[in-house]
Amino acid sequence: GAGVSQTPSNKVTEKGKYVELRCDPISGHTALYWYRQSLGQGPEFLIYFQGTGAADDSGLPNDRFFAVRPEGSVSTLKIQRTERGDSAVYLCASSASGAGTDTQYFGPGTRLTVL
Amino acid sequence: TQLLEQSPQFLSIQEGENLTVYCNSSSVFSSLQWYRQEPGEGPVLLVTVVTGGEVKKLKRLTFQFGDARKDSSLHITAAQPGDTGLYLCAGAEIQAGTALIFGKGTTLSVSS
Repeated sequence: GAGVSQTPSNKVTEKGKYVELRCDPISGHTALYWYRQSLGQGPEFLIYFQGTGAADDSGLPNDRFFAVRPEGSVSTLKIQRTERGDSAVYLCASSASGAGTDTQYFGPGTRLTVL
Repeated sequence: TQLLEQSPQFLSIQEGENLTVYCNSSSVFSSLQWYRQEPGEGPVLLVTVVTGGEVKKLKRLTFQFGDARKDSSLHITAAQPGDTGLYLCAGAEIQAGTALIFGKGTTLSVSS
C-alpha cells in the first residue's frame, strides 16, 4: 500500500499561533514516531506511540508540544504558542510493531516556518 | 541522551573515488541503521546491522557494525553522481525505547 504521508507539506505561521501537523502511517503499523529535523542536523526524536497510547514522550521539548493518536492510526502533532525556534522539518515514521530492529518508514515531512 | 557522532560532515569527491563515512558512540546499540535522505524527502533505510562485527553489502555500498556494537562505517566504492545525498546513521539503544538516535549526517556530493 501507500507509504507514510504527512500534511501539510509546508506550513508558514506567525509567532504565537497554534499549528497542527498530520501523519498517516502505513496501514497496519502499530508503532508511530515523530521526529524533528533542524537544518544541518539529523532527526531528533519527539514522541513514540504504540497503538493509541504515547509509549515514550521524553523527546517533547516542552508543554507547548502535544501529540495524539486517538484511533491508533492517524496522528496529529500539535504545537501551541509557536516560537521561531520551532521552525524545522517535522518527520513522522511508522513501523510494524515497534521492535528495536523493526524498519521505520519515514514520511516526506512537514516544513514548519514560524515568522 | 547518548550521541552518535558522524564524520565527516561534508564530503565532496569526483566520480569513481572511494569514500568511508564513520559513525561512533560510547553507547551500545541493539541495532544500527543507515539512511539516505534526499532534499524535501524523509530518510530512506539502506541497511540495518544487528550483530557485532556484521558486514553487509548493497551493490557498491559496504556497511560494517563494530564488534562492540558502538560504531559503524559505510564504505562506497567507485562513487557515482547518483550517490549524492545526505547519509544518516541511527542507533536503537538497548535500554531505551525503540526511538532512533540519529547522527548529524554526512552530506555527500559526487561530481562527474
